[in-house]
Amino acid sequence: ELKVEQNPLFLSMQEGKNYTIYCNYSTTSDRLYWYRQDPGKSLESLFVLLSNGAVKQEGRLMASLDTKARLSTLHITAAVHDLSATYFCAVDPYTGNQFYFGTGTSLTVIP
Amino acid sequence: NAGVTQTPKFQVLKTGQSMTLQCAQDMNHNSMYWYRQDPGMGLRLIYYSASEGTTDKGEVPNGYNVSRLNKREFSLRLESAAPSQTSVYFCASSRGTGKTYEQYFGPGTRLTVT
Repeated sequence: ELKVEQNPLFLSMQEGKNYTIYCNYSTTSDRLYWYRQDPGKSLESLFVLLSNGAVKQEGRLMASLDTKARLSTLHITAAVHDLSATYFCAVDPYTGNQFYFGTGTSLTVIP
Repeated sequence: NAGVTQTPKFQVLKTGQSMTLQCAQDMNHNSMYWYRQDPGMGLRLIYYSASEGTTDKGEVPNGYNVSRLNKREFSLRLESAAPSQTSVYFCASSRGTGKTYEQYFGPGTRLTVT
């Protein structure tokens, strides 16, 4: 059974601090996606990572993919309150036609 | 360009009642998906349609049926609702499957079964 594990599940951090969210998965894949979800809202695509060593950056967020370690990271630099949300990673395995989502990391940035 | 739309936004059902959740996309996408989101579980795939005329089971299909009405529309039906089906349901679409295409999500339907 394919597993996608995120940690931490809950993260409370102060504004201005840095932190990293980890996404581990149990299958061979080089397709990894990060989504953001605000409370009561839908999912918004943040990053699409399609190869080993891929790195994408948007504002204070940077995502990377290490397919050998089966690990993706989402790094937050100098957090601001607007980044408070739940972040999901999703893996698209080589076989089948479905994404597998992690359980999400609920991030709260405290002023 | 509305993207992915879902109706209704909220629904309360009694155990045993049936209902259909509607989803439509205007991005000319080939593939469409239905997920449910439960606290602490992330999103789990119920059914998907890789292309018009095809549907396949996902991770949690029991208690649900789907219809790909045309390229734009993909509906999810609960024939006899159960409290375990209380959840938030998201529809998504993508250009295709088995390729490097991200999925775009609708606003969700919040369903409560009493």
